[in-house]
Amino acid sequence: GAGVSQSPSNKVTEKGKDVELRCDPISGHTALYWYRQSLGQGLEFLIYFQGNSAPDKSGLPSDRFSAERTGGSVSTLTIQRTQQEDSAVYLCASSLVSTGGAFFGQGTRLTVV
Amino acid sequence: DQQVKQNSPSLSVQEGRISILNCDYTNSMFDYFLWYKKYPAEGPTFLISISSIKDKNEDGRFTVFLNKSAKHLSLHIVPSQPGDSAVYFCAAKETSYGKLTFGQGTILTVHP
Repeated sequence: GAGVSQSPSNKVTEKGKDVELRCDPISGHTALYWYRQSLGQGLEFLIYFQGNSAPDKSGLPSDRFSAERTGGSVSTLTIQRTQQEDSAVYLCASSLVSTGGAFFGQGTRLTVV
Repeated sequence: DQQVKQNSPSLSVQEGRISILNCDYTNSMFDYFLWYKKYPAEGPTFLISISSIKDKNEDGRFTVFLNKSAKHLSLHIVPSQPGDSAVYFCAAKETSYGKLTFGQGTILTVHP
């Protein structure tokens, strides 16, 4: 596709359930980022991939959060045993190389009830 | 530890005037800087960037200025238009490392 695609666009889940968020980056982009934005907050870094490896996962808030990237393309962010404080918009971005601008998807709005 | 700071939560400007959005950073290893614009319910849109080897970069109505000694950058929008009303984020990275660090954002409102 022409841009970064994220699915689902909205997700409502019950507390304690697991969720998977998907990101399809721009074709050929080697770098992929996950961020989240909680209500009234800035963009919080979660994890960064270069190819299939994650040189920086320092932003993952707890061991309930994990992410993987396969084939240097699609990435999945998994949140286990969701909590209400996990409610946020989860944003994925990709860039051609680690330099240059990153292009964002529309985000997945996660609501934990 | 907020490595990228946007100290003004909001800015209000009259249409046709200049908008100046400011950003400060603390990490001297940052060597690439970017500005993003974000509308509600959309992902951030890349606007303009600047490398640390430059002090100015211009793209149409948008100009970014970098003052490395002060660890400060600014985005100038001239002339401002109502459609520019959005949240503006500055971001910085060490190009050898790749992670983008964002400021908290500034809400720009341009009044007709």
